[in-house]
Amino acid sequence: AQTVTQSQPEMSVQEAETVTLSCTYDTSESDYYLFWYKQPPSRQMILVIRQEAYKQQNATENRFSVNFQKAAKSFSLKISDSQLGDAAMYFCAYRGSGGGSNYKLTFGKGTLLTVNP
Amino acid sequence: DAGITQSPRHKVTETGTPVTLRCHQTENHRYMYWYRQDPGHGLRLIHYSYGVKDTDKGEVSDGYSVSRSKTEDFLLTLESATSSQTSVYFCATRQDGGYYGYTFGSGTRLTVV
Repeated sequence: AQTVTQSQPEMSVQEAETVTLSCTYDTSESDYYLFWYKQPPSRQMILVIRQEAYKQQNATENRFSVNFQKAAKSFSLKISDSQLGDAAMYFCAYRGSGGGSNYKLTFGKGTLLTVNP
Repeated sequence: DAGITQSPRHKVTETGTPVTLRCHQTENHRYMYWYRQDPGHGLRLIHYSYGVKDTDKGEVSDGYSVSRSKTEDFLLTLESATSSQTSVYFCATRQDGGYYGYTFGSGTRLTVV
């Protein structure tokens, strides 16, 4: 079974600075998807960024970027120019390839990010 | 997301009583999932459905059952609620094929006393 590990239960960053959240995963598959979700106090799950394993180029969405190291099974999230609105719980998630997995998402335990003014 | 409605949003129930949580979607998505979220555990999959009347267990299915009699509704039942089932429950849906994102409901906070 796939597992997703987020080794940092909590992180903090000063406003306007950069922070990196770590995620590692374990899988025997060669093709899969990885995601970062943001969960603010409203409880809503918000997709931040996704990465297809077959793509070597790291995904970027505005201030959010990932460092995807397939061989190391590492998928870290970098938030640049941190804003107060970035404060939330962040979840790393894995999805196997194809319909055989029934597209199930496996989540890490989450990292609570605090942004200090 | 307006495409998924979870009901109720909050519920307090007593140990030993049956509880049913409802997930209703207007997206016509084939796949539906029930997760529970607990501090220190992230989201864990309880059950999922890959079509009407097609369901399967996730990693934490003990004490839960599900039913899906039509595409838009996925029900999660706690046959006899226990305090360990106090949690926030999320429903999610996904369209079939290719890459499509997931749509999450707003969650149901269930407290078993």
